[in-house]
Amino acid sequence: ILNVEQSPQSLHVQEGDSTNFTCSFPSSNFYALHWYRWETAKSPEALFVMTLNGDEKKKGRISATLNTKEGYSYLYIKGSQPEDSATYLCAFGDDMRFGAGTRLTVKP
Amino acid sequence: EPEVTQTPSHQVTQMGQEVILRCVPISNHLYFYWYRQILGQKVEFLVSFYNNEISEKSEIFDDQFSVERPDGSNFTLKIRSTKLEDSAMYFCASSEFIRLSTDTQYFGPGTRLTVL
Repeated sequence: ILNVEQSPQSLHVQEGDSTNFTCSFPSSNFYALHWYRWETAKSPEALFVMTLNGDEKKKGRISATLNTKEGYSYLYIKGSQPEDSATYLCAFGDDMRFGAGTRLTVKP
Repeated sequence: EPEVTQTPSHQVTQMGQEVILRCVPISNHLYFYWYRQILGQKVEFLVSFYNNEISEKSEIFDDQFSVERPDGSNFTLKIRSTKLEDSAMYFCASSEFIRLSTDTQYFGPGTRLTVL
């Protein structure tokens, strides 16, 4: 993998469902991985900066894990709420290469 | 809570005109950044700025672009002669500490630039 890839591109879940999505990045020369939450017409909001293999970080119902050896990070949302609807972006490396994002829609 | 602000929220300009996009970073932050997102594409890093100098820039940031911190609060991006392909959302960000990508970057809401 040369670029940062996020999957799925979009996701529709029901309120209360737990969900997760993936950010894949080049596994060599890892520096840092950032997760952002971006609601339309608002500023992207920083969620996590992950730097160490095996890192697990948590913020409320949102958590993230990092595997630098295989080049992926998972973002988990437990018990999704409509207010979680947003685009979730990851950015990798010294030059902050962004993925295209996962657009999450949580239906009430 | 402190936040990064940007003005204007939307700028429309004619091709060939100069535009200046303005940002007010969080007051105690030391590193400042510009990013852009062309509609339908990924967010792209343009430039980082520290201690009144450019510290990193991407291939996109050519001679048409310049950045400045004209006073203690504002951080500006100037595009000298806009092209149609400069139409994008431009985001400013700031971070507290020196290191580029291990520190949390706080983003502004963006300026949508439309070049006609």
